[in-house]
Amino acid sequence: AQSVAQPEDQVNVAEGNPLTVKCTYSVSGNPYLFWYVQYPNRGLQFLLKYITGDNLVKGSYGFEAEFNKSQTSFHLKKPSALVSDSALYFCAVRDGTGSNTGKLIFGQGTTLQVKP
Amino acid sequence: ETGVTQTPRHLVMGMTNKKSLKCEQHLGHNAMYWYKQSAKKPLELMFVYNFKEQTENNSVPSRFSPECPNSSHLFLHLHTLQPEDSALYLCASSQDGSGGASNEQFFGPGTRLTVL
Repeated sequence: AQSVAQPEDQVNVAEGNPLTVKCTYSVSGNPYLFWYVQYPNRGLQFLLKYITGDNLVKGSYGFEAEFNKSQTSFHLKKPSALVSDSALYFCAVRDGTGSNTGKLIFGQGTTLQVKP
Repeated sequence: ETGVTQTPRHLVMGMTNKKSLKCEQHLGHNAMYWYKQSAKKPLELMFVYNFKEQTENNSVPSRFSPECPNSSHLFLHLHTLQPEDSALYLCASSQDGSGGASNEQFFGPGTRLTVL
């Protein structure tokens, strides 16, 4: 069975500091991994994804994520946080093996608070 | 804007009312989804439609009835809801088919539903 864990309910960082939002996953086949961001009163916005290839994936708004197969992790990172990055972040995984209509499973979300 | 619109944005209804949520995607996608987002819980997948055919019903109570008349429109008909059904209902779309598991989903802004 597929699962995603985001171990931190909230991450607090100061503006200008690097940020990391953690995600670990469990999937039986090849993982397709996604990060989404949700601003207040909005739907989810796609940030980046890992399908295959380079383990470091770059996405929107200066975010990047590193796929680590041995640790089954896909942590979201940004070198220098902005106050406007404050939002709810979701990690998601899909089994990339076999059926192409497999469910996208979301983590419970991590609130990122960036303080000036 | 993600290319997925939802109406209404807010809805308050009594337990005996009947109402419908509407979703429209302008992206040419062939798969559409309904999710429920409750506070402190991961996103719950409710229904999946692929090429207008329902491919997933995630044990959703019958008081929620989806309808997909074409690949661009998705409805969620509501009747005799309970207060615990109050949540943010999100619609999403994606391009499925061969290799579709790697495609990200695009989300609408959601309908904030309150059941009194």
